[in-house]
Amino acid sequence: RKEVEQDPGPFNVPEGATVAFNCTYSNSASQSFFWYRQDCRKEPKLLMSVYSSGNEDGRFTAQLNRASQYISLLIRDSKLSDSATYLCVVNRSGNTGKLIFGQGTTLQVKP
Amino acid sequence: GAVVSQHPSRVICKSGTSVKIECRSLDFQATTMFWYRQFPKQSLMLMATSNEGSKATYEQGVEKDKFLINHASLTLSTLTVTSAHPEDSSFYICSARLDSRADTQYFGPGTRLTVL
Repeated sequence: RKEVEQDPGPFNVPEGATVAFNCTYSNSASQSFFWYRQDCRKEPKLLMSVYSSGNEDGRFTAQLNRASQYISLLIRDSKLSDSATYLCVVNRSGNTGKLIFGQGTTLQVKP
Repeated sequence: GAVVSQHPSRVICKSGTSVKIECRSLDFQATTMFWYRQFPKQSLMLMATSNEGSKATYEQGVEKDKFLINHASLTLSTLTVTSAHPEDSSFYICSARLDSRADTQYFGPGTRLTVL
């Protein structure tokens, strides 16, 4: 079983749509959770950290369910520029700084 | 935000040659840097953790004699792919952590290696 699992998609949605991505992780000792965005042939860029209380940044909302070891990302009012691969990222337990990346979910927003 | 650079951005080499990739933190000191590899349509896989002034620690399955890592200063880590072969062709990305308490890592722009 992969340490971090995501549905690779692709998700094809029209502009303005709301889209949700899910992710599960296997290591219950993980403490830090993130969503990164990666554009084609580029490095990943941090989109947002994910907290148990849930957090929102503009059109993006992230949720964490520790009991189910489940992370989600909701994008509202999708823009063409949101087209990218979204990576669910979890740290390995402890303070090693080691990040484990999911395979990524590809989003294509169409006009 | 913090800036991490990588050099070269792209390299094409013949099989059997060695390739050195540099990762620099430009506006901060990074005691820890990480090296990842990404094959097409796959996710980033952590290869090793590079600590300034000490030996790198490698993930399971990564050959330390093939992927030599040197972290000689607080702003520079290098990855040398020795005797590269076509199966080493990949996107190599480094990241740097601000300090041992920080969760956030800053990624370099990556180096695309093609071995002929």
